[in-house]
Amino acid sequence: EVQLVESGGGLVQPGGSLRLSCAASGFTFSSYSMNWVRQAPGKGLEWVSYISSSSSTIYYADSVKGRFTISRDNAKNSLYLQMNSLRDEDTAVYYCARPQGGFDYWGQGTLVTVSS
Amino acid sequence: AIRMTQSPSSFSASTGDRVTITCRASQGISSYLAWYQQKPGKAPKLLIYAASTLQSGVPSRFSGSGSGTDFTLTISCLQSEDFATYYCQQYYSYPLYTFGQGTKLEIK
Repeated sequence: EVQLVESGGGLVQPGGSLRLSCAASGFTFSSYSMNWVRQAPGKGLEWVSYISSSSSTIYYADSVKGRFTISRDNAKNSLYLQMNSLRDEDTAVYYCARPQGGFDYWGQGTLVTVSS
Repeated sequence: AIRMTQSPSSFSASTGDRVTITCRASQGISSYLAWYQQKPGKAPKLLIYAASTLQSGVPSRFSGSGSGTDFTLTISCLQSEDFATYYCQQYYSYPLYTFGQGTKLEIK
């Protein structure tokens, strides 16, 4: 059974940093590219970042470019999102998602709250 | 960036109704479109990909159509568990994905 489990969310002050993790199981993680998607409270879905299976190709949404860094460790079946210079508008539930004709598997999400 | 616009943003319907949600892309995206269902506090669930292909395990009352810029999601006979928010997503500009703003389907 495919499972994606995010962790690392919490309360952080504006300007602070946080590192999210996504633990994958039930599939060959190293064969798949991966994504982060977020959802602000009461709002819609926003794609955040993409990383290819080998980490050779990385993309970011303009809203996070230069502040967030996506990475992965295929030996640990894990995906990461390093978030720096956090802003109020980064408050959201962050999901990791596997792309396969759309995003066929999602984690349960981890809440990041940016507030003083 | 490709913009996805859904209509309506919200509406009410009754169990047993046939409902249609529309998604329009700001430029042609061929059939690179997916539909998701999301319930409160839960992750989105993939319903349809490639505009009209039903994801495994999704009930056949869900169907999708369209290509180019105009797409529809149809639920042929609404069930109580279908009241949720629905999103379209383009992956034509992979991996720069974009979602529609969502359509909230409520019980009348």
